[in-house]
Amino acid sequence: DAGVTQSPTHLIKTRGQQVTLRCSPKSGHDTVSWYQQALGQGPQFIFQYYEEEERQRGNFPDRFSGHQFPNYSSELNVNALLLGDSALYLCASSLPGRIAKNIQYFGAGTRLSVL
Amino acid sequence: AQSVTQPDIHITVSEGASLELRCNYSYGATPYLFWYVQSPGQGLQLLLKYFSGDTLVQGIKGFEAEFKRSQSSFNLRKPSVHWSDAAEYFCAVGLYGGSQGNLIFGKGTKLSVKP
Repeated sequence: DAGVTQSPTHLIKTRGQQVTLRCSPKSGHDTVSWYQQALGQGPQFIFQYYEEEERQRGNFPDRFSGHQFPNYSSELNVNALLLGDSALYLCASSLPGRIAKNIQYFGAGTRLSVL
Repeated sequence: AQSVTQPDIHITVSEGASLELRCNYSYGATPYLFWYVQSPGQGLQLLLKYFSGDTLVQGIKGFEAEFKRSQSSFNLRKPSVHWSDAAEYFCAVGLYGGSQGNLIFGKGTKLSVKP
């Protein structure tokens, strides 16, 4: 049973560029959440997708956008990269439902470095 | 605003000794409660969760946690630590209502294990 998979593992970009990160959820899961984990910090919620729509959003600017595909996989896009966007980006998947969507399974993350 | 506090940034224990990692939360009601572990270069692995009922929760790898409503705490314990337990540990809360699925994490406690 494949867990949550993310690609790429590492990425180096320069300021002002755009980046796309990808996530495939755990088998049977249809809800995908994205988190940003800065060095030395806990993960911070960016947004959540279910049924191909953004359902919730954390306190992140519009430069952060996402998409969910019919097969439940998801992309995180960040435009106009800033140095402060350097972080580990984590994808988590869950089942829908009031309680179930809180039980989130995480991928290994994509390490983004902005130079 | 909701928050999670992990007072200890770094803890060192000897192998075979007992362990307790502290977690306090700030929320108007009893949230869903979680402990995750993150090894270097890895994503987050769910250790255990609390939704309701028995306040002592058993998890994987021999970990347990106790919910104390009066103290707004959810401390993680292990009776005998193994060298492989060295990692970073995150406490998280999940909220009711419109923010379901938006996990709020503490800043983490790094655990080192002495031989």
